[in-house]
Amino acid sequence: QVQLQQWGAGLLKPSETLSLTCAVYVGSFSGYYWSWIRQSPGKGLEWIGEINHGGTTNYNPSLKSRVTISVDTSKNQFSLKLSSVTAADTAVYYCARVGDGNNPPPGYWGQGTPVTVSS
Amino acid sequence: DIQMTQSPSSLSASIGDRVTITCRASQGISNYLAWYQQKPGKVPKLLIYAASTLQSGVPSRFSGSGSGTDFTLTISSLQPEDVATYYCQKYNSAPRTFGQGTKVDIK
Repeated sequence: QVQLQQWGAGLLKPSETLSLTCAVYVGSFSGYYWSWIRQSPGKGLEWIGEINHGGTTNYNPSLKSRVTISVDTSKNQFSLKLSSVTAADTAVYYCARVGDGNNPPPGYWGQGTPVTVSS
Repeated sequence: DIQMTQSPSSLSASIGDRVTITCRASQGISNYLAWYQQKPGKVPKLLIYAASTLQSGVPSRFSGSGSGTDFTLTISSLQPEDVATYYCQKYNSAPRTFGQGTKVDIK
């Protein structure tokens, strides 16, 4: 059973950079896209972006200018950086493997990391 | 980019009722559609993928249908434990957009 474990700072000040990492345990890391998703308080799910083991990334156009997703294949980890955060970036952030054009979603999600942006 | 629109945004139904949630894509996505269930404070749970394939372990009262632009999630007999918010997601190509969610509760 694949497990995703995520971590990172949970309290940020406006203009700082959010940084989260997700480790994938057991199962194959290569051959798939690995995503970041967030959920603002009381709101729906928002797909932020994804990366594959080769480093190919895709981003949500609404966040693209501030998002960087990177991968460390030696550790089966991928990371999210979101720059210039504001209160609107307060959310629970999830890492997950959702479906792509070649693979159906397996239902693998991290536990979620609450991130609060406040001065 | 393709937009995903769910309806209704919320509904109340009685135990045992048949519940139907609709998801519409602004362009065709074949059957690259998943449905998730999220209970308050919990991680989303995959219910259905490929529009109609039930994820292992999901009760058979859940079913999905559709292809192209119009999709449906049906709960054949609503149970108390089905109180949750349901999301559709397209996954044929990026961005892997979610619908805005449908909140289901008991009347």
